[in-house]
Amino acid sequence: GAGVSQSPRYKVAKRGQDVALRCDPISGHVSLFWYQQALGQGPEFLTYFQNEAQLDKSGLPSDRFFAERPEGSVSTLKIQRTQQEDSAVYLCASSYQGAGEKLFFGSGTQLSVL
Amino acid sequence: QKEVEQDPGPLSVPEGAIVSLNCTYSNSAFQYFMWYRQYSRKGPELLMYTYSSGNKEDGRFTAQVDKSSKYISLFIRDSQPSDSATYLCAMKVYGGSQGNLIFGKGTKLSVKP
Repeated sequence: GAGVSQSPRYKVAKRGQDVALRCDPISGHVSLFWYQQALGQGPEFLTYFQNEAQLDKSGLPSDRFFAERPEGSVSTLKIQRTQQEDSAVYLCASSYQGAGEKLFFGSGTQLSVL
Repeated sequence: QKEVEQDPGPLSVPEGAIVSLNCTYSNSAFQYFMWYRQYSRKGPELLMYTYSSGNKEDGRFTAQVDKSSKYISLFIRDSQPSDSATYLCAMKVYGGSQGNLIFGKGTKLSVKP
């Protein structure tokens, strides 16, 4: 069966550009999460959706980061005016209902800001 | 001091060895403890999930939680080259925001044939 799908797999952006990262969760999974993983570090929580509602965005590092899930399925993480410190792997995860402990992760989008 | 501390390694062992991976934490509110395995250029995959203190076994893997010492461990018996990966511990407070897991840095393990 299909897992969590993320696109693009790699993204190179010039500093100041806007980027959009896409996540297709596992079909039927209500909860969706975004994490940021810097090189050599563990993932860090960014934001959480239950269906289309964004219930927690406490991990978003600045107002340049914006996430949406308008129909409760596909989600997009948008980063405006990218900075070099935004370079990281952005991981999306989904879970059935609210079982936040058992997350299924995608392979991530590796963002490099030059 | 970070909430979750994990030695990043790298750790190299011969095939068949018993591997011990550990994390310490400072937040006594953590109630859920997990171990994830992450292969290179892949997302983390849940290996073990525990709620209470004590041991939990699943095949070659045993997770151990000692809340009094704020210390968790993952043991891998009869390690295989396919176990070569980064192992991340993760924790969550009871009733905390869904999915707001706090991860360790990860320990990179290499099992040599």
